[in-house]
Amino acid sequence: SQQGEEDPQALSIQEGENATMNCSYKTSINNLQWYRQNSGRGLVHLILIRSNEREKHSGRLRVTLDTSKKSSSLLITASRAADTASYFCATDTGTGANNLFFGTGTRLTVIP
Amino acid sequence: DTGVSQNPRHKITKRGQNVTFRCDPISEHNRLYWYRQTLGQGPEFLTYFQNEAQLEKSRLLSDRFSAERPKGSFSTLEIQRTEQGDSAMYLCASSLGLTQYFGPGTRLTVL
Repeated sequence: SQQGEEDPQALSIQEGENATMNCSYKTSINNLQWYRQNSGRGLVHLILIRSNEREKHSGRLRVTLDTSKKSSSLLITASRAADTASYFCATDTGTGANNLFFGTGTRLTVIP
Repeated sequence: DTGVSQNPRHKITKRGQNVTFRCDPISEHNRLYWYRQTLGQGPEFLTYFQNEAQLEKSRLLSDRFSAERPKGSFSTLEIQRTEQGDSAMYLCASSLGLTQYFGPGTRLTVL
């Protein structure tokens, strides 16, 4: 079964607005990563936050992690039409393979 | 471009046929992963290689699936006796550290 669940499943905003997506997961993690996937294309890595970190920034992205609540959020500020995509959180439980467990994704639409 | 590449990008086959996909990882990456993604879902882990050794396999990887990574470079994923339920996007990823870099995927349609 999927490790993570994203909320909301779909989000539609106007260009320039901020977008917030949430992710909840079930087991202890080593790190949590956010990926973007444009329609019909591969996944692009956005940001990684380790279990001992609480917040991380990268350009217009801000990620928070609350390990006590087993949740994370991704904030995209000043959204652009090009941000339209599906966003997935993925957890690395720290086992030998470091394989990722993905959530079901949030479909973000940014209206120009 | 030195990213992860996958071939073919699309494959349509009839039920019962065998198919093989190829993944070429980023050249210095020793770790290689295969995932499967169905419509509306996130990717699900299938198997993992460190160099040429296949170290982990998911329960999703039935005995009709086999993966290899000879010489620790490219990898192949073969599905024998395909079923309609095998229709999905098959994604390959490689890594050197914690971040995995994904290829564009191979979309399989089983008729």
